[in-house]
Amino acid sequence: QTVVTQEPSFSVSPGGTVTLTCGLSSGSVSTSYYPSWYQQTPGQAPRTLIYTTNTPSSGVPDRFSGSILGNKAALTITGAQADDESDYYCVLYVGSGIWVFGGGTKLTVL
Amino acid sequence: EVQLVESGGGLVKPGGSLRLSCAASGFTFSSYSMNWVRQAPGKGLEWVSSITGSSTYKYYADSVKGRFTISRDNAKNSLYLQMNSLRAEDTAVYYCARQGPFDYWGQGTLVTVSS
Repeated sequence: QTVVTQEPSFSVSPGGTVTLTCGLSSGSVSTSYYPSWYQQTPGQAPRTLIYTTNTPSSGVPDRFSGSILGNKAALTITGAQADDESDYYCVLYVGSGIWVFGGGTKLTVL
Repeated sequence: EVQLVESGGGLVKPGGSLRLSCAASGFTFSSYSMNWVRQAPGKGLEWVSSITGSSTYKYYADSVKGRFTISRDNAKNSLYLQMNSLRAEDTAVYYCARQGPFDYWGQGTLVTVSS
């Protein structure tokens, strides 16, 4: 069974830069997994930030970027703002029509 | 503007059934695969099921295989999820999402399985 790993929590100062990662319990993440990132605040539907590694969704500020760093997918927020405080989820395509989400990272901006 | 609107959620007893719907607008519905993703209270996102544009292929998470059935009606721009043999652990907000990776999401509909 594929497990997608994310940091449970992270903290960043306003104006700072933070990189959240998305890995596999076994193996390396590559572009072939179409890693994608979503932001969610309590009570709201997820909002797509980045899809297929590094393509920003429409209307997403350019302070959000996606990449592959080492053996993981990464979401970098440059110049964090207070309203970036949210839960962030990644998802990977693991083949045979199956998608697996990570457990999410709770980002605190303080 | 792409819009996805889910409906059909509610309270159901364990072992019961429910059918969710997702009405799509603002894009050529038949050209896109569609998905259901759920989120249990206080938990993370879980992919549930996908269906290709022409309904040729359907995929399910192991947790729902054999109990849930995904379908679509391209003439009505609608996606469905038939949920049978419901369990307490199926309690969640169910979102429909376009394509995979999921670029647009609905607002979700809450399913509560409880006696």
